[in-house]
Amino acid sequence: GAVVSQHPSWVICKSGTSVKIECRSLDFQATTMFWYRQFPKQSLMLMATSNEGSKATYEQGVEKDKFLINHASLTLSTLTVTSAHPEDSSFYICSARDLGGGTYEQYFGPGTRLTVT
Amino acid sequence: QKEVEQNSGPLSVPEGAIASLNCTYSDRGSQSFFWYRQYSGKSPELIMFIYSNGDKEDGRFTAQLNKASQYVSLLIRDSQPSDSATYLCAVNNRGSTLGRLYFGRGTQLTVWP
Repeated sequence: GAVVSQHPSWVICKSGTSVKIECRSLDFQATTMFWYRQFPKQSLMLMATSNEGSKATYEQGVEKDKFLINHASLTLSTLTVTSAHPEDSSFYICSARDLGGGTYEQYFGPGTRLTVT
Repeated sequence: QKEVEQNSGPLSVPEGAIASLNCTYSDRGSQSFFWYRQYSGKSPELIMFIYSNGDKEDGRFTAQLNKASQYVSLLIRDSQPSDSATYLCAVNNRGSTLGRLYFGRGTQLTVWP
């Protein structure tokens, strides 16, 4: 149980284009999903917390107009990187919290490796 | 500031030895504690969580929590080369918005045959 999927697993896009990443909880409902970014050999950085049916909460320094988050259902959240630039190239990982678990474990998706050329 | 500190390592142990990974946290209100394993190029995988003081064992893994000392550790018995990874300590505070976790920077473990 507690499986989280992400799509795509990797993507290459040109500078100035937008990229959408999907995060799905496959066998549980997730009121809350989290989006992280990780640069090589660095720690996880929380970008935003996504709540089903409401606006995402962004961490300080993360541009909400650049990283659009939509949590449309209890099993799906999307992150759209708008007008991507090479410095946005990173490993983007989502995680989901099991609504029915009553605890705080987060289960991570496999991640999406974004390369902007 | 909710800080979670880990020794970045690298920690190197021979196969079959006990690997000991340590984590301290600054917020006394922290309630839940997690250990994640992250292989190079992969996303983190939850391996243990602990909520109460004392030890919690799961196979070769033992998590130890001491809230008075604000200290949580992970012991890996009979270490295997496949345990070589970065281990992330994460902490949740009951007051944290929507259950966010605060992660340490991770300890890189190498188990050599």
